[in-house]
Amino acid sequence: EAGVTQFPSHSVIEKGQTVTLRCDPISGHDNLYWYRRVMGKEIKFLLHFVKESKQDESGMPNNRFLAERTGGTYSTLKVQPAELEDSGVYFCASSSFNGRDNEQFFGPGTRLTVL
Amino acid sequence: AQTVTQSQPEMSVQEAETVTLSCTYDTSENNYYLFWYKQPPSRQMILVIRQEAYKQQNATENRFSVNFQKAAKSFSLKISDSQLGDTAMYFCAFMKDPYTGTASKLTFGTGTRLQVTL
Repeated sequence: EAGVTQFPSHSVIEKGQTVTLRCDPISGHDNLYWYRRVMGKEIKFLLHFVKESKQDESGMPNNRFLAERTGGTYSTLKVQPAELEDSGVYFCASSSFNGRDNEQFFGPGTRLTVL
Repeated sequence: AQTVTQSQPEMSVQEAETVTLSCTYDTSENNYYLFWYKQPPSRQMILVIRQEAYKQQNATENRFSVNFQKAAKSFSLKISDSQLGDTAMYFCAFMKDPYTGTASKLTFGTGTRLQVTL
């Protein structure tokens, strides 16, 4: 079974540009999460999809970040325009819709560098 | 809001020895889950061990075990017989009880970088 995949693995852009990150969850997982780790700090929650709906977007830092999950499958996270403080590693995770079986499976992350 | 604190940024242990990573958390919830995740260098983060707060018995997974002290809000990870492959970043994480039927987000600590040496 394929795990969670993310694309690209690395992205280097200049301040003011746009970047789109993609996450493909494990097939059949209704829950999809985005997290971000800024250098040396904790991994912070950004948002949570259940199928195609946003269940919790309380961690989204500002309106420069837009997440979508078309048809409840893959998800994209767009940053427009990117700022220096957006640099970090963006992780995606997925889990099945079962309260007690709550393990989240993580992708390898996308390392974003904004210059 | 929940917080998770890992006070050891880096640790080192010799192969075959035992090491304990500390984690404390703060929450007003009564039912929740605690996790230790491991991220080896240049690899994906994977779940090491999980503890349900309503269970008094400490979770164990082979060489990995936890010391869960609910009253003290402490959740340490013990790695016995350390192996070179245990070298990784270890993250402690908290999740509110999702048993209501809605899955929930993880709240992470800042991580502990563990180096296993020969």
